[in-house]
Amino acid sequence: RKEVEQDPGPFNVPEGATVAFNCTYSNSASQSFFWYRQDCRKEPKLLMSVYSSGNEDGRFTAQLNRASQYISLLIRDSKLSDSATYLCVVSIGGFQKLVFGTGTRLLVSP
Amino acid sequence: GAGVSQTPSNKVTEKGKYVELRCDPISGHTALYWYRQSLGQGPEFLIYFQGTGAADDSGLPNDRFFAVRPEGSVSTLKIQRTERGDSAVYLCASSLGFGETQYFGPGTRLLVL
Repeated sequence: RKEVEQDPGPFNVPEGATVAFNCTYSNSASQSFFWYRQDCRKEPKLLMSVYSSGNEDGRFTAQLNRASQYISLLIRDSKLSDSATYLCVVSIGGFQKLVFGTGTRLLVSP
Repeated sequence: GAGVSQTPSNKVTEKGKYVELRCDPISGHTALYWYRQSLGQGPEFLIYFQGTGAADDSGLPNDRFFAVRPEGSVSTLKIQRTERGDSAVYLCASSLGFGETQYFGPGTRLLVL
């Protein structure tokens, strides 16, 4: 079983739609949680950190459920520029190495 | 300011050859990480440096892989006797320190024929 599991998609949505991604993680010792965005043939970039209290950054809302070991990302009012792969990431261990899911591909169409 | 840079951007080699991949972290970042990303997968951790020392090399797949960071800045990932299965994008990331946000470089695409 992978340490971080995500639905690979692709999720095809029209502009303006709301879309939600979920992921689960298996290591209960995971310490920090993130969503990274990766464009085709580019490096991953931090989208947002995820906290148990939930956090919002503009159209993006992230939520963490430690009891269920579940992380979510909600994107409202999708834009064409949101098309990318969204990587669910946890950090493990004293040195905070990042463990990535396989990513969920989002395609926003006009 | 300048981000993490990696050279070469692309490397094609033949099975059995030796390759070196270079990473220049963001100036002042003491922590440096190497990851490997295969097609359709997320990046996988290889090794972490804090300063000059490898604090965690648990992700290196076997003894053909080795990395150094002799002066606590630039790092080189070395792969001996390359195999076709080593083909992937090798990503380097740096952070200001332990537990800080990791910033990724553009990666080196390695193709072993």
